[in-house]
Amino acid sequence: NAGVMQNPRHLVRRRGQEARLRCSPMKGHSHVYWYRQLPEEGLKFMVYLQKENIIDESGMPKERFSAEFPKEGPSILRIQQVVRGDSAAYFCASSNSRGPVYGYTFGSGTRLTVV
Amino acid sequence: QQQVKQSPQSLIVQKGGISIINCAYENTAFDYFPWYQQFPGKGPALLIAIRPDVSEKKEGRFTISFNKSAKQFSLHIMDSQPGDSATYFCAASWTGANNLFFGTGTRLTVIP
Repeated sequence: NAGVMQNPRHLVRRRGQEARLRCSPMKGHSHVYWYRQLPEEGLKFMVYLQKENIIDESGMPKERFSAEFPKEGPSILRIQQVVRGDSAAYFCASSNSRGPVYGYTFGSGTRLTVV
Repeated sequence: QQQVKQSPQSLIVQKGGISIINCAYENTAFDYFPWYQQFPGKGPALLIAIRPDVSEKKEGRFTISFNKSAKQFSLHIMDSQPGDSATYFCAASWTGANNLFFGTGTRLTVIP
């Protein structure tokens, strides 16, 4: 039973390019959460999705960032026109019920470097 | 605004010693307090969690102590081992919330 799968593990983008980060939740999990970890900081919540729906995007920057979780396939976090400040580790978590109190499982993350 | 404050930022402990990491919070709506362990290059993994109806929870060498009146909770690692060397994050949330609020992390190094 594979855990939460994130790819790519490392991603390098030039300023102004687009970054696409993918997350496949654990089998049987329909709730997906994205977090961002800046260097020497804790994780900060970005967005919570269920299949085909964005439930809570209160932590998403208003511009350039978007997320989706289609009926088929992985969840995608998309960052348009990346800037140096977007360099961070992006983690996806999944759960089989809503919210962290029922147990999140995190993936190993995608480390985005903007040059 | 940091909802959960964690200290120390880094900690060095001798093998066999006790590691203690502290966290404090302000939001009295929080009713779920987990600790996560993160190794380099990996995602955080849930270590142990506590609800405010108990003052202590122990799982093996790991113990959470919870002080509701002081709005503080701490992680104690007994008989610390080099394999415990990792970054530890406290977090908080409430039933019905969608997300966790994380502390800034403590990098623990256990020296042989």
